[in-house]
Amino acid sequence: GENVEQHPSTLSVQEGDSAVIKCTYSDSASNYFPWYKQELGKRPQLIIDIRSNVGEKKDQRIAVTLNKTAKHFSLHITETQPEDSAVYFCASYMDSSYKLIFGSGTRLLVRP
Amino acid sequence: DAGITQSPRYKITETGRQVTLMCHQTWSHSYMFWYRQDLGHGLRLIYYSAAADITDKGEVPDGYVVSRSKTENFPLTLESATRSQTSVYFCASSEQAVTEAFFGQGTRLTVV
Repeated sequence: GENVEQHPSTLSVQEGDSAVIKCTYSDSASNYFPWYKQELGKRPQLIIDIRSNVGEKKDQRIAVTLNKTAKHFSLHITETQPEDSAVYFCASYMDSSYKLIFGSGTRLLVRP
Repeated sequence: DAGITQSPRYKITETGRQVTLMCHQTWSHSYMFWYRQDLGHGLRLIYYSAAADITDKGEVPDGYVVSRSKTENFPLTLESATRSQTSVYFCASSEQAVTEAFFGQGTRLTVV
């Protein structure tokens, strides 16, 4: 079945530094890869997504890259700020089964 | 978003009891999902649905039952609650298969 692995489980960076979170997926038919941010006690919310026909997508300080051959995708946050501290989840969506499978999450701490 | 709501927000139940968690969305989204969130496991898919009367098992379906007689509602029932089902449950919906999923505010369930 589909599986998404996410690393690292925790990440601590200094304010202003960059943060990178990596995910791998198992099913080559996966074609949609969203990233969600969950602040403490709140619901997950989409921050960026990428489709399988695109290699990279940027939105201000956030970027996502996709390597279909290697079946992995990454989230890059530049110039981190304390409000970036949260849990980040990657996910993989296979159109044919309409399952949205999440990774185990990365707790990001941005130190002031 | 006010468009997808879960009830109750908090629930304490005893082992062996049946409990139903409700999920209601006002967007007429076709796709709906149920996840449980446990520390270290991220968001695990319990059941999902592509439309009214179409449901399928996710990663961890044992001990749960769902129904979807109307597009806007997707209740999750624990037939005989166990302590291992203590968790935070999130419902989500998306308009199409590979589009943003919107999460409800979550239900914290404790089984004693």
